[in-house]
Amino acid sequence: EDKVVQSPLSLVVHEGDTVTLNCSYEVTNFRSLLWYKQEKKAPTFLFMLTSSGIEKKSGRLSSILDKKELFSILNITATQTGDSAVYLCAVINNFNKFYFGSGTKLNVKP
Amino acid sequence: ETGVTQTPRHLVMGMTNKKSLKCEQHLGHNAMYWYKQSAKKPLELMFVYNFKEQTENNSVPSRFSPECPNSSHLFLHLHTLQPEDSALYLCASSQDMQGYGYTFGSGTRLTVV
Repeated sequence: EDKVVQSPLSLVVHEGDTVTLNCSYEVTNFRSLLWYKQEKKAPTFLFMLTSSGIEKKSGRLSSILDKKELFSILNITATQTGDSAVYLCAVINNFNKFYFGSGTKLNVKP
Repeated sequence: ETGVTQTPRHLVMGMTNKKSLKCEQHLGHNAMYWYKQSAKKPLELMFVYNFKEQTENNSVPSRFSPECPNSSHLFLHLHTLQPEDSALYLCASSQDMQGYGYTFGSGTRLTVV
């Protein structure tokens, strides 16, 4: 059965800390892995990863994919309270089907 | 706003009511999706439409009835729902079925009483 598993389920850190969120997957016909940030309601797109070993960066956020070990990590450095959200990982296969993980709830305290 | 607009934002309905959720996108996308997000569960894909044609129905109960009159509008008609159907219903759209430009709406928080 195809699945996406995220860990940890929840995380509490203090401002300035660095966090690493994990996403492992077992999806046949893998095409891409995506990360989203969900605050309040609408998930917003962060990264799409298709190739192994190529780090994608956006400000304090970065992500990388390992297609051999079937996982991705999302790093956030110098965390701020505005980073508090649920971070969703999704995998899309070659038949355009999305598989979402349960998300990691990040709480950044002042 | 993300370019995908959902109305209403909140909806409370009785089990015998009939209501509809609306989703509209102004991004020129051709694919639209309905998702259900329940507490502590992964996002669940319900329906997929591509160029107004339904391409996927993920074993959704018939009390949920989608309608896609054109590539910009998507409806989810609800009738005789159960309390366990209470959830956040998210609409999304993408440029094509490859998933490029995947954009979510803000969702409708549905409570069935």
